[in-house]
Amino acid sequence: KQEVTQIPAALSVPEGENLVLNCSFTDSAIYNLQWFRQDPGKGLTSLLLIQSSQREQTSGRLNASLDKSSGRSTLYIAASQPGDSATYLCAVISSGSARQLTFGSGTQLTVLP
Amino acid sequence: EAGVAQSPRYKIIEKRQSVAFWCNPISGHATLYWYQQILGQGPKLLIQFQNNGVVDDSQLPKDRFSAERLKGVDSTLKIQPAKLEDSAVYLCASSSVDRGGPYNEQFFGPGTRLTVL
Repeated sequence: KQEVTQIPAALSVPEGENLVLNCSFTDSAIYNLQWFRQDPGKGLTSLLLIQSSQREQTSGRLNASLDKSSGRSTLYIAASQPGDSATYLCAVISSGSARQLTFGSGTQLTVLP
Repeated sequence: EAGVAQSPRYKIIEKRQSVAFWCNPISGHATLYWYQQILGQGPKLLIQFQNNGVVDDSQLPKDRFSAERLKGVDSTLKIQPAKLEDSAVYLCASSSVDRGGPYNEQFFGPGTRLTVL
């Protein structure tokens, strides 16, 4: 059974800092990996999707990497802003599953002005 | 393009009462998912529909939870009777993915926050 772990559970940084969020998964046979953002009282917004054949994806100040063999992914946020404050969730789709997402518990990020 | 709609946004009930949540997916999306997100945890899949058929309901507590998608469009999730541990956010998502086909992104609704007292 696939398990997804995110470390740290919470992170507080001053504005302008670069930061890294970590995600690990137990079964390397994945179809793809996805990073989401969740604001309080809101649904999930997809940030980046990395297919199993890819190493990384970039969108603006966000860069996500994937090392399938070691079961790890990182989300790098450059020049953090207070508006980046949210919970970031990592999710994987395992190969062979009916395209279902298995989520980690998330990292709650606070960027202080 | 309208997003995934859910109602109500908030619900407070007492234990042993019944409650129902409604979801309207993005138009044309064949696949609909219901997730339960307990505070401090990631969403957990409860049930997945493909059109009006159930693909997977292995994690749905069937003694108290039920869900339907009769016409293959909108869906209702019901809890009867509710327990304290059912307090959570219930998220609905939809996608255009076909079973066994390539993955298409899931789009999430705003969720319904349920509090059971």
